[in-house]
Amino acid sequence: DQQVKQNSPSLSVQEGRISILNCDYTNSMFDYFLWYKKYPAEGPTFLISISSIKDKNEDGRFTVFLNKSAKHLSLHIVPSQPGDSAVYFCAAAPQINDMRFGAGTRLTVKP
Amino acid sequence: DAGVIQSPRHEVTEMGQEVTLRCKPISGHNSLFWYRQTMMRGLELLIYFNNNVPIDDSGMPEDRFSAKMPNASFSTLKIQPSEPRDSAVYFCASRSGQGATQYFGPGTRLLVL
Repeated sequence: DQQVKQNSPSLSVQEGRISILNCDYTNSMFDYFLWYKKYPAEGPTFLISISSIKDKNEDGRFTVFLNKSAKHLSLHIVPSQPGDSAVYFCAAAPQINDMRFGAGTRLTVKP
Repeated sequence: DAGVIQSPRHEVTEMGQEVTLRCKPISGHNSLFWYRQTMMRGLELLIYFNNNVPIDDSGMPEDRFSAKMPNASFSTLKIQPSEPRDSAVYFCASRSGQGATQYFGPGTRLLVL
């Protein structure tokens, strides 16, 4: 039962352009949402988070948007850089309990 | 400060053998999680512990899998007997009681022949 879905397995963008990664969830009890980034042969690392009381959180080039009514969140990276090339996982948690991850989206940023 | 430590980093074994994966969480973190990553299913939560007590093991695939956390600084995930379909990368993560962010180890890449 995939409670968190990332429907795009891969995304390719040109350096300097915007990258938009999408995530949908089904459980209305999820209250806290996170994005993790994973490079090959490494564990996922925390990137940015948002709680359900907000609809936007920004950290430098990274912005996460949350649409609770649509059960949808997205990660925007602007401008995209080649070093952003990685697998991005969306995760959701009911408060601080266990987190459910999506299957990941592989982002490739071309120079 | 050391992050989450996992060992071994790579494991190759034959079908039917017992496999034990090890994890040392970040000191002071009171929650520990085991995940499995596959191409088909992405990151799946297998089990998690709070204060060394297993809270949710509904993600454990079957009885061949077991996990223990004998103390706050060590956990094991055991597969007995192993099967080729268990081949995956297994991650351990830990979290403090103050937030939802989990910190992942580098993973153990398991190949069962």
